[in-house]
Amino acid sequence: QVHLVESGGGVVQPGGSLRLSCAASGFTFSSTTMYWVRQAPGKGLQWVALISHEHTTRYNGDSVRGRLTISRDNSKNTVYLQMTSLTPDDTAIYYCARDAKWGLFDYWGQGALVTVSS
Amino acid sequence: QSALTQPRSVSGSPGQSVTISCTGTSSDVGDYDYVSWYQQYPGKVPKLLIFDVTNRPSGVPDRFSGSKSGNTASLTISGLQAEDEAYYHCCSYAGSYTVVFGGGTKLTVL
Repeated sequence: QVHLVESGGGVVQPGGSLRLSCAASGFTFSSTTMYWVRQAPGKGLQWVALISHEHTTRYNGDSVRGRLTISRDNSKNTVYLQMTSLTPDDTAIYYCARDAKWGLFDYWGQGALVTVSS
Repeated sequence: QSALTQPRSVSGSPGQSVTISCTGTSSDVGDYDYVSWYQQYPGKVPKLLIFDVTNRPSGVPDRFSGSKSGNTASLTISGLQAEDEAYYHCCSYAGSYTVVFGGGTKLTVL
């Protein structure tokens, strides 16, 4: 059975940093592209970063590029999202999601709440 | 990369049918048959409802159906039930591993 479990969320001051983790189980993690998708309060879904099974990375837009870094450790079946220079606009629930193929997200984690506030 | 356009809200009475549109561009919805739909209850995790424009994962009732014409994809819910009241999000593949989501639609069952 597939499980995705995020951790590392919390409250951080503007300008601060945070690292989210997503531990995966129940499937061949090393062969799977993984995404981080966030949802700001009352808003829709927005993908922020992805990492392919070949470790290719992509980021969604200039607002996150350079501040967010996605990585994976296949030996630990874990994907990470390092976030720096955080602003209140980064406040959201961050989900990790498994990409079955071409943007088909068949499994999601329970979400990690990140609150950026002074 | 602009978000796909969805109506902010739709509504219908039990037993009726409702359709939620999702409009993109020739670079996403119009270029790929990789449109998916997600159902999300407040405070809950999104759940895959439709994939590859028209396909339902096992366990999803056949009251839910998807279609696409040009740059617009649609989700139709027939025989509306109270439990269908939720948010619905569309998503399209956009090339080079990237995707684009819609802004989400709140469905109210009257």
